[in-house]
Amino acid sequence: AQSVTQPDIHITVSEGASLELRCNYSYGATPYLFWYVQSPGQGLQLLLKYFSGDTLVQGIKGFEAEFKRSQSSFNLRKPSVHWSDAAEYFCAVGARLNTGNQFYFGTGTSLTVIP
Amino acid sequence: GAVVSQHPSWVICKSGTSVKIECRSLDFQATTMFWYRQFPKQSLMLMATSNEGSKATYEQGVEKDKFLINHASLTLSTLTVTSAHPEDSSFYICSARATVSGANVLTFGAGSRLTVL
Repeated sequence: AQSVTQPDIHITVSEGASLELRCNYSYGATPYLFWYVQSPGQGLQLLLKYFSGDTLVQGIKGFEAEFKRSQSSFNLRKPSVHWSDAAEYFCAVGARLNTGNQFYFGTGTSLTVIP
Repeated sequence: GAVVSQHPSWVICKSGTSVKIECRSLDFQATTMFWYRQFPKQSLMLMATSNEGSKATYEQGVEKDKFLINHASLTLSTLTVTSAHPEDSSFYICSARATVSGANVLTFGAGSRLTVL
């Protein structure tokens, strides 16, 4: 069965420190992987996505993520966190086109940034 | 590109009334839109898939008579919460599927917070 796991419910980092949010997936085929960010009271914004090719993908706001097939992981990273990065982050796995509308979300990781 | 507009962003209503939430794809056509519900501190729960020109597909446990979905055009889907009750208070988010490099990419609206008094 398809699933997405975000092991860390909540993470606190100091401003300027590096960040890594974990995401593991279970999917029967080659996955399309996404990271979304949700600021309080807001909708979701796409940070980055992986379809194929280079396993290290760059996104907006200085985020990057690395697809590791052997570990079934797609961890999100940022070298230096800013206070405005405090938000909820969701990892998602998407189905290929024409095979249905399956989009599986992780339960999210809440990020707190302390000065 | 691929912008989804959701309206209203915030609505308060009395118990027993109905509330309509609109989801529009502004710069692309969306044959499929999705409606999610999000409880505080939780992930998104898919409620239904809205297909243009046909009936919506509801997820198990979602009352179709309670949450009416209409997708009358390629750019607009509406969710109507009928006879709303306080337990319907939640954050409702729509999304539309855009095709990028042959893959599904979901673009989300900003969400609508419903408070039922």
